[in-house]
Amino acid sequence: DTAVSQTPKYLVTQMGNDKSIKCEQNLGHDTMYWYKQDSKKFLKIMFSYNNKELIINETVPNRFSPKSPDKAHLNLHINSLELGDSAVYFCASSHGPAGTANTEAFFGQGTRLTVV
Amino acid sequence: QKEVEQNSGPLSVPEGAIASLNCTYSDRVSQSFFWYRQYSGKSPELIMSIYSNGDKEDGRFTAQLNKASQYVSLLIRDSQPSDSATYLCAVNRGYNFNKFYFGSGTKLNVKP
Repeated sequence: DTAVSQTPKYLVTQMGNDKSIKCEQNLGHDTMYWYKQDSKKFLKIMFSYNNKELIINETVPNRFSPKSPDKAHLNLHINSLELGDSAVYFCASSHGPAGTANTEAFFGQGTRLTVV
Repeated sequence: QKEVEQNSGPLSVPEGAIASLNCTYSDRVSQSFFWYRQYSGKSPELIMSIYSNGDKEDGRFTAQLNKASQYVSLLIRDSQPSDSATYLCAVNRGYNFNKFYFGSGTKLNVKP
């Protein structure tokens, strides 16, 4: 009964390849996020979707394209992978529509992406 | 200026002591504040949330918020070796959209 689940957990791929990471939440939350955590543990927001609508895009390269088929799913597709894309990518979700103040974010287990 | 600032540590405390973790944030209109614990190789786990000035206690954990000083802290009483982890402070502005800003985390080592 995992609340926020993402697959795969590990992803090793060569430069130039295209890959996808999938995320699903069963919490009934309206908002989902993608975060990138670098080697220094800094968690930086990439995208946020509220009920399938993109509401935050934090100047992420166009090679990254999120897709939300429904409010319980948020996938991340990455084109032409580069060495600098190596990081841990976390999916998260929170309750309530955009603007809900007192709401907490819950994280998936992360996908460790290594580009070689 | 970063949205959320934390001392990266490591902070070392002996078992049974009080660990004090601090965080400052830059946006005065921020509405909600969180502490997450992250073990190495694992995902961030929410341990405390606080929304109004003052103290909030939950077991061995106490979160403190001072909006005038833009300061959030976490106290861990009777620290245990299992508390050794990186603690991430997060801030959510709310308003037009939910956007959780994270600090870079403070690594805590509790020595037996």
